[in-house]
Amino acid sequence: DVVMTQTPVSLSVSLGGQVSISCRSSQSLVHNNGNTYLSWYLQKPGQSPQLLIYKVSNRFSGISDRFSGSGSGTDFTLKISRVEPDDLGVYYCGQGTQYPLTFGSGTKLEIK
Amino acid sequence: EVQLVESGGGLVQPKGSLKISCAASGFIFDTYSMNWVRQAPGKGLEWVAHIRSKSYNYARYYADSVKGRFTISRDDSRSMVYLQMDNVKTEDTAIYYCSYPGGNWFAYWGQGTLVTVSS
Repeated sequence: DVVMTQTPVSLSVSLGGQVSISCRSSQSLVHNNGNTYLSWYLQKPGQSPQLLIYKVSNRFSGISDRFSGSGSGTDFTLKISRVEPDDLGVYYCGQGTQYPLTFGSGTKLEIK
Repeated sequence: EVQLVESGGGLVQPKGSLKISCAASGFIFDTYSMNWVRQAPGKGLEWVAHIRSKSYNYARYYADSVKGRFTISRDDSRSMVYLQMDNVKTEDTAIYYCSYPGGNWFAYWGQGTLVTVSS
């Protein structure tokens, strides 16, 4: 199984600041078709998760350009710029390259 | 607008059975795969099961933790996806989310249905 390791476990940021969350996979996420199926999700308190980024760097419909994804192979990063109060919650990375589909353990973002 | 509405959760005894449902709308249901993802209280996300479309012979995939106990199915005529949960264990206690991927990711999520396994 592909193990997804997220760091840090939690972080605190001031409004308007920038943060980065790292996600590393135990195996390359490059699919046989050449695509890399690494996605990012945000679960706000009391809500269902929502998709932010898919295929490493593609923002989902309606997602602010303050969110950006990068990386390749086994090493990926989510950056959030100009942090707003609504950004708080738990961020998860996930892989869709091979079964079983797996998620990272989450990074909790708190606003200072 | 894509909508996913789960139902059927509740209290079930260990070794018992429960079937949860998800009603989908807002997209061409029969052409897409569907997933179940769960979240134990205070824990992270765990993918549970995936069913592909008729074009892929309704191929099914399961997490090892539920393989042989859970069965995912779908009714394209009703735009429904189901999860039959048999021989449940206390560790199956979780919110179960239905998710429409749209690709090799989880694009849309329902509000979830809580399954509690306890005697």
